[in-house]
Amino acid sequence: EVQLVESGGGLVQPGGSLRLSCAASGFILRNNFMSWVRQAPGKGLEWVSVIYSGGRRDYGDSVKGRFTASRDDSKNTLYLQMNSLRTEDTAVYYCVRESGRGVVSPYFDYWGQGTLVTVSS
Amino acid sequence: QSVLTQPPSASGTPGQRVSISCSGSTSNIGLNTVNWYQQFPGTAPRLLIYKNTQRPSGVPDRFSGSKSGTSASLAISGLQSDDEADYYCAAWDTGPDVVVFGGGTKLTVL
Repeated sequence: EVQLVESGGGLVQPGGSLRLSCAASGFILRNNFMSWVRQAPGKGLEWVSVIYSGGRRDYGDSVKGRFTASRDDSKNTLYLQMNSLRTEDTAVYYCVRESGRGVVSPYFDYWGQGTLVTVSS
Repeated sequence: QSVLTQPPSASGTPGQRVSISCSGSTSNIGLNTVNWYQQFPGTAPRLLIYKNTQRPSGVPDRFSGSKSGTSASLAISGLQSDDEADYYCAAWDTGPDVVVFGGGTKLTVL
């Protein structure tokens, strides 16, 4: 059974840093495209970043230069390092497994439960 | 302001058929497939429709998707109270090369 379990969210001051983790089970992380998608309180969904199976990483404009996606293949775990955090980064962050990228519109077929990041002084 | 445009709300009575629209442009829906997600309050979204019309296993055939030009639509037939949720459309946008979402539609079953 595919499972994604995020952790690492919490309260952080503007300008601070936080690292989110996403432990995967039921499949091999390095063989898949993995994204982070966030949702601000009461708002819609926003794609944040992707890490390709080959290691390439892409980011949305709102986080480019501040967030870094990575993975530890030995732990089958995905990470999102978030630096220079802003109040507008406050959201639930979901780890998602992707399919279809490069062929059709990527679709997110498995989602974690999400972890809340609150950026506030 | 979301790249894809959805009505903020929709409603129907049990047993009815409802449709939710998703409007985009040439660079997203016009050129690429559309996906739909369902989200219940306090839970993670789940994939409902992918590649315009395909349903993942476990999604009832009451849910169907379609696409024409730069618009797409999600239809729910035989509406049930359990269908009350938020629905989001999404597609690849070849302009910025990112996945873009609609703002979401809150479906109420009266």
